[in-house]
Amino acid sequence: AAGVIQSPRHLIKEKRETATLKCYPIPRHDTVYWYQQGPGQDPQFLISFYEKMQSDKGSIPDRFSAQQFSDYHSELNMSSLELGDSALYFCASSVQEYNSPLHFGNGTRLTVT
Amino acid sequence: GESVGLHLPTLSVQEGDNSIINCAYSNSASDYFIWYKQESGKGPQFIIDIRSNMDKRQGQRVTVLLNKTVKHLSLQIAATQPGDSAVYFCAENIGASGTYKYIFGTGTRLKVLA
Repeated sequence: AAGVIQSPRHLIKEKRETATLKCYPIPRHDTVYWYQQGPGQDPQFLISFYEKMQSDKGSIPDRFSAQQFSDYHSELNMSSLELGDSALYFCASSVQEYNSPLHFGNGTRLTVT
Repeated sequence: GESVGLHLPTLSVQEGDNSIINCAYSNSASDYFIWYKQESGKGPQFIIDIRSNMDKRQGQRVTVLLNKTVKHLSLQIAATQPGDSAVYFCAENIGASGTYKYIFGTGTRLKVLA
């Protein structure tokens, strides 16, 4: 079965650079979520989109932005990168219906040096 | 690759024994809960879910129990196997009506001893 695809798998950037992470949801899933996971931490909710509109927002820094496109893929844009942004970034998708579980991709590991 | 859950609580279980992983959730209005398994270098993998109108749900080798009175969730794994070694997270949907916002609890690392 098709899963959530994230790219790139690994990304190394320097401080103050920008990064773009991409997420391709499971076909027919209309909702995308972004999570950040630091070492030894639980995944922290950043932002979610439903039908290309932002549906909820969590602890996403102002330096980050995201959008969902007409083909339902999503991109997380990160600017003025800081060392503390180094983490695993997961995308998840679901069907926007009552009590539908999230399905996660394998993440993008971002390292800021 | 970097390990997930370097500083998380750890549960060590002998292979073949049953495991019980606990989770305290935060929002008494949460109506849907999910257990995830996360192996190193991978994304969280769905295990089992439960709605707030239930107090128990069983899957293959797994059972989830929900106690809404004390806001407690547990995952029971029967006959634990080496492949069960991973970090386990519970997640709750705290989204207001019509929205979906899933918050993760603190994970537990499960180590299966041969």
